[in-house]
Amino acid sequence: GNSVTQMEGPVTLSEEAFLTINCTYTATGYPSLFWYVQYPGEGLQLLLKATKADDKGSNKGFEATYRKETTSFHLEKGSVQVSDSAVYFCALSLKGGKLIFGQGTELSVKP
Amino acid sequence: KAGVTQTPRYLIKTRGQQVTLSCSPISGHRSVSWYQQTPGQGLQFLFEYFSETQRNKGNFPGRFSGRQFSNSRSEMNVSTLELGDSALYLCASSSNTGTGSYEQYFGPGTRLTVT
Repeated sequence: GNSVTQMEGPVTLSEEAFLTINCTYTATGYPSLFWYVQYPGEGLQLLLKATKADDKGSNKGFEATYRKETTSFHLEKGSVQVSDSAVYFCALSLKGGKLIFGQGTELSVKP
Repeated sequence: KAGVTQTPRYLIKTRGQQVTLSCSPISGHRSVSWYQQTPGQGLQFLFEYFSETQRNKGNFPGRFSGRQFSNSRSEMNVSTLELGDSALYLCASSSNTGTGSYEQYFGPGTRLTVT
């Protein structure tokens, strides 16, 4: 079946550290891939997306590259801030309005 | 443009009751999807509506149902509530008009507590 696996959290980093959150997927077909972020008490916000192999999505200093050969879509940021503390979800979509999510990775950034 | 709005934001119900949640999509969006978020199961897809028709359905019992109106607003209903239905229910809208994959924009959610 189709699924998404994320690295387990929580991840705790110091401000200005480098961030990587691993995400791998299994899909029958060619999915679009997304990263969403959820701040406490809020809904999900779209962070970035990629729709085909080798596409790089980027937004607010975050980047992720769609790697078909390794079925991965790892999230990276060069220098995290306290305000980046949130839960990050990797997701895939094959068609229509159905997103399949990973379990989420909680990020905590300390000053 | 206004974002996705959901009402109510918080709800407390008793086992056996039923509940209706409402979602207004971003103006011009015709696709509305619903998700359940719990600590144990994470984010799970409930169903998607497009042009008043259910287009996709997740693996939930028949107690969970939904509908969409001609103005694209959507409601979901849960009948005979169980303790396990306590969750954050998220609605998302998208400009998706076909079978391709489009990004979805989420509302703030309705926090349902069943006692």
